[in-house]
Amino acid sequence: KQEVTQIPAALSVPEGENLVLNCSFTDSAIYNLQWFRQDPGKGLTSLLLIQSSQREQTSGRLNASLDKSSGRSTLYIAASQPGDSATYLCAVRQETSGSRLTFGEGTQLTVNP
Amino acid sequence: GAVVSQHPSRVICKSGTSVKIECRSLDFQATTMFWYRQFPKQSLMLMATSNEGSKATYEQGVEKDKFLINHASLTLSTLTVTSAHPEDSSFYICSARDHLGTGLYEQYFGPGTRLTVT
Repeated sequence: KQEVTQIPAALSVPEGENLVLNCSFTDSAIYNLQWFRQDPGKGLTSLLLIQSSQREQTSGRLNASLDKSSGRSTLYIAASQPGDSATYLCAVRQETSGSRLTFGEGTQLTVNP
Repeated sequence: GAVVSQHPSRVICKSGTSVKIECRSLDFQATTMFWYRQFPKQSLMLMATSNEGSKATYEQGVEKDKFLINHASLTLSTLTVTSAHPEDSSFYICSARDHLGTGLYEQYFGPGTRLTVT
């Protein structure tokens, strides 16, 4: 059974700081990995999707990396802003089960002005 | 990107009543939709997968008679919480899968429905 772990559970940083969120998964046979953002009481917004054959994806100030063999992914946020405050969720999709997404418990990020 | 809507966004009901939540894919056809449940400060837990025109597949531990799922069209799935109890209070999120072709697909999430059972 796939398990996804995110570290840290919560993070508070001053504005402008670069930061890294970590995600690890136990079964490396994944189809892809996706990072989401969730604002309080809201649904999920997809940030980046990395296919199993890829090593990283970038979008603006966000960069996600994937090391499939070691079961790890990182989300790098450059020059953080108060508007980045949210919960960030990592999810993996298995090769064997196709469309099933397994989520981590998220990292709650607070960027202080 | 594609849009998935949910209705209602919030609902309060009395214990013992039933509540229906709708999930719609607004600009694409979704043969597969998913229903998740999220408790405060916890992650999303998949409840069931529904395919248009067929019975939903429920995850282990999810009571199919309590959480009725209907996926009658390619753009609409409904989740009915029957005989709701306070422990059913949660944030329910639906998701719809869009087939992009050549074996690729993307999954889009709705904004969620906050259910409070009093």
